[in-house]
Amino acid sequence: QSALTQPPSVSGSPGQSVTISCTGSSSDIGRYNRVSWYQQPPGTAPKVIIYEVRRRPSGVPDRFSGSTSGNTASLTISGLQAEDEADYYCCSYTSSSTYVFGTGTKVTVL
Amino acid sequence: EVQLVESGGLVVQPGGSLRLSCEASGFTFDDYAMNWVRQAPGKGLEWVSLISWDGEDISYADSVKGRFTVARDNSKKSLYLQMNSLRPEDTAFYYCTKDKGWEFGYYSYYMDVWGKGASVTVSS
Repeated sequence: QSALTQPPSVSGSPGQSVTISCTGSSSDIGRYNRVSWYQQPPGTAPKVIIYEVRRRPSGVPDRFSGSTSGNTASLTISGLQAEDEADYYCCSYTSSSTYVFGTGTKVTVL
Repeated sequence: EVQLVESGGLVVQPGGSLRLSCEASGFTFDDYAMNWVRQAPGKGLEWVSLISWDGEDISYADSVKGRFTVARDNSKKSLYLQMNSLRPEDTAFYYCTKDKGWEFGYYSYYMDVWGKGASVTVSS
């Protein structure tokens, strides 16, 4: 049950795009389309922003998009805004009937 | 309003025990699987445990297996986490979360509702 691997931090200026990678294995990301992404602003509970790789819950801006390739999932934030500054976590359901989270990425808006 | 409210967080000594509770409202509790997720101070999210809607299917993270027990009482719309043999590394904020569950004829594996969390500190 090793955590999925994410870069510790990414940054961009307002209006730019940033992409966060999330690397797992053939037992999780590579096996199912059961990848979700969570946004956690400081001092708050996480909130889902992407589920099933690329689907957005109602109310989440279409600036957020997701994809996968092999054992790696990616979250792209297009048109970065100040309010996007937060920690982001990927998550996958696994072949062991468990969930596993990523190590987390801090997004900084310059 | 769909809501999850955790309670029971405390400061406890290493080796001690604690039970967390999570009370659900605003949805049909016994239709959904539930999870516990924790976050150590300044660290990332760690999934802890999952329990199916009827309590029949349960899974745990390796880090808590044999020490923690998840349970639910659907009549009380409540989820529980019994934590025994606590260690300093169990110090964390513990979140109760709801699985999205069945949607459009298939099961969606993600957590669509989160509580505000309960703080557990294991220290002498």
